[in-house]
Amino acid sequence: ELVLTQSPGSLSLSPGERVTLSCRASQIISSSYLAWYQQKPGQSPRLLIFAASTRATGIPDRFSGSGSGTDFTLTISRLEPEDFAVYYCQHFGRSPYNFGQGTKLEIK
Amino acid sequence: QVQLQESGPGLVKPSETLSLTCVVSGYFISSGYYWGWIRQSPGTGLEWIGNIYRDGNTYYNPSLKSRVTISLDTSKNQFSLRLTSVTAADTAVYYCVRAFSEGIFDSWGQGALVTVSS
Repeated sequence: ELVLTQSPGSLSLSPGERVTLSCRASQIISSSYLAWYQQKPGQSPRLLIFAASTRATGIPDRFSGSGSGTDFTLTISRLEPEDFAVYYCQHFGRSPYNFGQGTKLEIK
Repeated sequence: QVQLQESGPGLVKPSETLSLTCVVSGYFISSGYYWGWIRQSPGTGLEWIGNIYRDGNTYYNPSLKSRVTISLDTSKNQFSLRLTSVTAADTAVYYCVRAFSEGIFDSWGQGALVTVSS
């Protein structure tokens, strides 16, 4: 079973800062099968990025994804107050379609 | 714009069957996409349960496969989840989702909390 490990587990940052979140896979996966989601308290997750680097509809361009093989990143170029949330990576290259454990972004 | 809404009992007894329905509006489920279920609990995070395609083909998480059934009702534009022999470990918020390319979940319901307890 493919496992996704996200780091760090949590971060405290200020609006305006740049942040890069990491997602490491236990096996090589195609970048076509890697997605990122954002979840705010009390809300359902929302698709941000698919195919490692393609923004979903309506996602601001301050969000970007990259990576290949086993290492993938989500970068937020300039944090807005609404970006403080939990971020999950997810693969679907092979069953089961697992999620990472999440990275929580908190306001400093 | 597609909307998904879960419904079903919020409390299920151990060893019984959990049943949830997802009503879809704004898109005909027979037209395409995959339709599925994901659950979230503090202990296990986000866990994919399974998907169904418009042709009825199903794809299940191997860890749950023996207990899960996902089905479509195109006449009502809804799909359903059945999870048998539940235990406390099945307590979670259950989300119904729409997926493209099998596993990119682009639309989510608001979630339904299901507690397994006697």
